[in-house]
Amino acid sequence: QVQLVESGGGVVQPGRSLRVSCAASGFTFSSYGMHWVRQAPGKGLEWVAFISYDGSNKYYADSVKGRFTVSRDNSENTVYLQMNSLRAEDTAVYYCAKDQTVITGDLDYWGQGTLVTVSS
Amino acid sequence: QSVLTQPPSASGTPGQRVTISCSGSSSNIGTNTVNWYQQLPGTAPKLLIQSDNRRPSGVPNRFSGSKSGTSASLAISGLQSEDEADYYCAAWDDSLNGWVFGGGTKLTVL
Repeated sequence: QVQLVESGGGVVQPGRSLRVSCAASGFTFSSYGMHWVRQAPGKGLEWVAFISYDGSNKYYADSVKGRFTVSRDNSENTVYLQMNSLRAEDTAVYYCAKDQTVITGDLDYWGQGTLVTVSS
Repeated sequence: QSVLTQPPSASGTPGQRVTISCSGSSSNIGTNTVNWYQQLPGTAPKLLIQSDNRRPSGVPNRFSGSKSGTSASLAISGLQSEDEADYYCAAWDDSLNGWVFGGGTKLTVL
C-alpha cells in the first residue's frame, strides 16, 4: 500500500533554514510527480511546490519562490523541501502528496504531515 | 485571499442535498480541470473528485462534481453525519504557473 511519511519538522527561528523529507513506499516512486502542500494552523490548504518524476521540472508558489527548493532522490524514494529564509507566515503543517500520474495535479495520496513552526 | 473563491461554510440535515461552489477565472477553472478534496477533522486531505466530475475508486456516488465556465460545484446527496468535513477545490492556474486551492468550505451536518 502507498505510504508517505514526512519528517524533519520542528521549531526554527525566523531567517533560518530547515529541510523536511518525505519517504515514499508502496509504489514506483521514480514514475510519479510529487507535491508539497501546507496548511497554517486553523487555515486552508496552500500548494507549495511540485517536482516531476525525474526532477527535471519544478514549480513553486509565488509565496515561496526563491526561498524554497524541492528535490528528490529516486534511489532513496524520498522527496525533500529545503526551506530557507523562513518567516513566521511559513508556520504550517507540511504535507507531501503523490501526483496520480506524471503531472496532473490529482493528488491521490497524502502523508500525515510534519509541523514547522517559525518563531523566535 | 484565495484565487479560487468558496463559501466559508455550508450546512444541511441528514438525507439532504447540499452544493458547494468554487469560483475562479479564465486562467484557472475556465481552462483547466477542477479537483475537490475532503479533509475530515484532524486528518490529511483526500482526493474526492478529479477532472471536474470523476470519482476516484472508493468514493461514494453521493458525491458529484460539475463545472460551467469559470465556476465549479461539488454536490453531496443523501447527506450523512460522516460527511462533516472541510472541502477544497483546486485547479492549475496558467497565469501563476502553479496549482491553486480554494479557501475551503466547512460543511456542518445539523
